[in-house]
Amino acid sequence: AQKVTQAQTEISVVEKEDVTLDCVYETRDTTYYLFWYKQPPSGELVFLIRRNSFDEQNEISGRYSWNFQKSTSSFNFTITASQVVDSAVYFCALSETTSGTYKYIFGTGTRLKVLA
Amino acid sequence: SAVISQKPSRDICQRGTSLTIQCQVDSQVTMMFWYRQQPGQSLTLIATANQGSEATYESGFVIDKFPISRPNLTFSTLTVSNMSPEDSSIYLCSVLWGRSTEAFFGQGTRLTVV
Repeated sequence: AQKVTQAQTEISVVEKEDVTLDCVYETRDTTYYLFWYKQPPSGELVFLIRRNSFDEQNEISGRYSWNFQKSTSSFNFTITASQVVDSAVYFCALSETTSGTYKYIFGTGTRLKVLA
Repeated sequence: SAVISQKPSRDICQRGTSLTIQCQVDSQVTMMFWYRQQPGQSLTLIATANQGSEATYESGFVIDKFPISRPNLTFSTLTVSNMSPEDSSIYLCSVLWGRSTEAFFGQGTRLTVV
């Protein structure tokens, strides 16, 4: 069965600290996609990154970086030099493609609070 | 990405009434979905809105409670019927374009049932 686990319910850091949000997933499919979304207090979901199951290259985008490791079924997200504007709930999600439905399974989210 | 507009953005409704939420996209999309996010919780898929046919509902969601329409490739509605306080949630429309696999979301409808 598909499952996404975000064990960290809430993290608080002081501005400029680095922070890593963990995501562990379960799937029986060999082809799948992993995503991170940000949900600021306003409520909309903002797409951050997609990673497919055949691409284990880590990715960096500005202060954001992602570490995908199939061996541990993890897709962790690191924010470097955090800022107050990073405060939000972050969701990891999994989408399997073999069924053709492209449904997303979301983790329970990690609330990040960055303190000034 | 295109613009996804959801209306209303928020509403406070009396129990026993129904509310219809609209999702309008400014370009044709391949797939449209409706999610529910209960307070402090993650997102749960309600159904896939199929153009011109009945929606495909996930376990725990039924058409009588959440009727969905999708008359064309750019528009869908979700109705929350016979509402109770337990229906208080954020309801989000999500779309996929073409062969893309990253979903984009509307700004959500924050529903409070009193």
